[in-house]
Amino acid sequence: AQTVTQSQPEMSVQEAETVTLSCTYDTSESDYYLFWYKQPPSRQMILVIRQEAYKQQNATENRFSVNFQKAAKSFSLKISDSQLGDAAMYFCAYRSGDPNAGKSTFGDGTTLTVKP
Amino acid sequence: KAGVTQTPRYLIKTRGQQVTLSCSPISGHRSVSWYQQTPGQGLQFLFEYFSETQRNKGNFPGRFSGRQFSNSRSEMNVSTLELGDSALYLCASSSIGLAGGRSYNEQFFGPGTRLTVL
Repeated sequence: AQTVTQSQPEMSVQEAETVTLSCTYDTSESDYYLFWYKQPPSRQMILVIRQEAYKQQNATENRFSVNFQKAAKSFSLKISDSQLGDAAMYFCAYRSGDPNAGKSTFGDGTTLTVKP
Repeated sequence: KAGVTQTPRYLIKTRGQQVTLSCSPISGHRSVSWYQQTPGQGLQFLFEYFSETQRNKGNFPGRFSGRQFSNSRSEMNVSTLELGDSALYLCASSSIGLAGGRSYNEQFFGPGTRLTVL
């Protein structure tokens, strides 16, 4: 079974600064996807970024980027130029590469506070 | 395209009652997954339906059940409610897309149903 661990229950960052959220995972599969989701107080889960395990290049979406270390099974999220709207709970998630796998495994989440 | 919708958004029930939650996936999506989110347990996978069949199942008691209709809309039912069933229930729909010549499966979440059991 796959597991996802987020070791930082809470993080805070000053507006316009950079923050990194950590995530480690465990799997015996070679084909999988990793995701970071954002869940603001409205509770709507929003996909922030996706990383395919077979890609060595780290994914980037505007101010969001990941540091994917496959051998270390580490998948951290870097938020640059933090904005007040980035305040939310962030979840790291794992999903098998099998298209028939209907389940994502989530970490416990990291609550990010952005200070003005 | 309209996103994933869930009804109702809020629900209050008492112990012993049963409840039915509904999820309408994004048009064209055939897979619907359900998750329970609680402060203590985080996000836990309940089950997944694909083409009206339960394809994957999590570790929840038989009081939790679901079904999917021919239009891909899904319902989940919880019978004999317990206080511990109070949670945010999230539904996600997914489809198989293509990226870089490979298929991938990406989930899109609905806003959730907040269930409170008194």
